[in-house]
Amino acid sequence: DTGVSQNPRHKITKRGQNVTFRCDPISEHNRLYWYRQTLGQGPEFLTYFQNEAQLEKSRLLSDRFSAERPKGSFSTLEIQRTEQGDSAMYLCASSLPPEGAPTDTQYFGPGTRLTVL
Amino acid sequence: LAKTTQPISMDSYEGQEVNITCSHNNIATNDYITWYQQFPSQGPRFIIQGYKTKVTNEVASLFIPADRKSSTLSLPRVSLSDTAVYYCLVGHGSSNTGKLIFGQGTTLQVKP
Repeated sequence: DTGVSQNPRHKITKRGQNVTFRCDPISEHNRLYWYRQTLGQGPEFLTYFQNEAQLEKSRLLSDRFSAERPKGSFSTLEIQRTEQGDSAMYLCASSLPPEGAPTDTQYFGPGTRLTVL
Repeated sequence: LAKTTQPISMDSYEGQEVNITCSHNNIATNDYITWYQQFPSQGPRFIIQGYKTKVTNEVASLFIPADRKSSTLSLPRVSLSDTAVYYCLVGHGSSNTGKLIFGQGTTLQVKP
């Protein structure tokens, strides 16, 4: 399977614990995005990488959240001191904008469902 | 980024054609219109994208009138497996960050 993969698929943790999620994008995709989705809502943008550079962060990304893409390939999203409000599906997407094309297509992974007790 | 408005939910029966309309009155000149599909416990999946007139692929058709203030996703002969949430998005492109702004989407329920 050469699609976007995310691990783990499910994570249950206690309030106050730290969690880390991993995203492996489609090979050679230079753009990587993280989104968060709560029940009944559409995904919300969290942050975006162009290769290894983190170019944009949403205001939703509090200082307890940190994302990295150290070698421009896989990415990790860490949440420190988790709160019950962090319970959500965390989605990763990747893309490779065609040279000179006005748009690109984002390919999403299956997501990591976080439950904070 | 242009805001979109689409129905919260729609019902249909197997074999029918389903049309989901999205309003985007403030669409910018260089904005494209994109539709994504999402099944429960899965990430969204790209369906179709267009700029004007009509676009068709193996899954759906997208109709965009001349003023581009709305668009209609057409799903021919739906089946039970088309039950999903459908999102209409405008405004993303490779010239900027490309982040997607999702609304609540339209929940399509296909009945036997």
